[in-house]
Amino acid sequence: GQQVMQIPQYQHVQEGEDFTTYCNSSTTLSNIQWYKQRPGGHPVFLIQLVKSGEVKKQKRLTFQFGEAKKNSSLHITATQTTDVGTYFCAGPGGTSYGKLTFGQGTILTVHP
Amino acid sequence: KAGVTQTPRYLIKTRGQQVTLSCSPISGHRSVSWYQQTPGQGLQFLFEYFSETQRNKGNFPGRFSGRQFSNSRSEMNVSTLELGDSALYLCASSLDGLGTYTIYFGEGSWLTVV
Repeated sequence: GQQVMQIPQYQHVQEGEDFTTYCNSSTTLSNIQWYKQRPGGHPVFLIQLVKSGEVKKQKRLTFQFGEAKKNSSLHITATQTTDVGTYFCAGPGGTSYGKLTFGQGTILTVHP
Repeated sequence: KAGVTQTPRYLIKTRGQQVTLSCSPISGHRSVSWYQQTPGQGLQFLFEYFSETQRNKGNFPGRFSGRQFSNSRSEMNVSTLELGDSALYLCASSLDGLGTYTIYFGEGSWLTVV
């Protein structure tokens, strides 16, 4: 079945440093979605990428979707303590209704 | 616009008991999915409902079941609870459940089985 791999599993950074997490799917994705989950919270939607090679920015966050639509990345510039949490990528399972296949997530810790 | 609402937020049950969790999707959303989140297994898909019909099911035992009502509200039930069922249960809603539209999660129901 479809697998979504995400690396790294953990990332510790000093406040102000940059952070990147990478996502790779075993199958071509129609789109990819990114979520952030704060400790003790629930996944919150960040963005959806649909087009091959698409790049979207949200303030300090930059999201990319690969040309082959099988990989994606999230880059945070100049991390802040508010960026702490787990970042998940997820792809729809083809025509599999309602199912997103999630990566294992990257747990980001930001040291002040 | 109200988000996805889940109740109860926290509950403690004893092994062997059953539990029912409720979810009200975003207004206008007809697809409701359920996920189980545990530290070891991550986010795993349980099932999806659309217009009161289960369209998709994940790899969970038959103790896990669900239903959807005509107003798109959904419930999931876990019978004969086991310790391993302790998890965060997340409900998610979307317009079509096909991945075309964004899936939004509720705050979840934290279930502890003792």
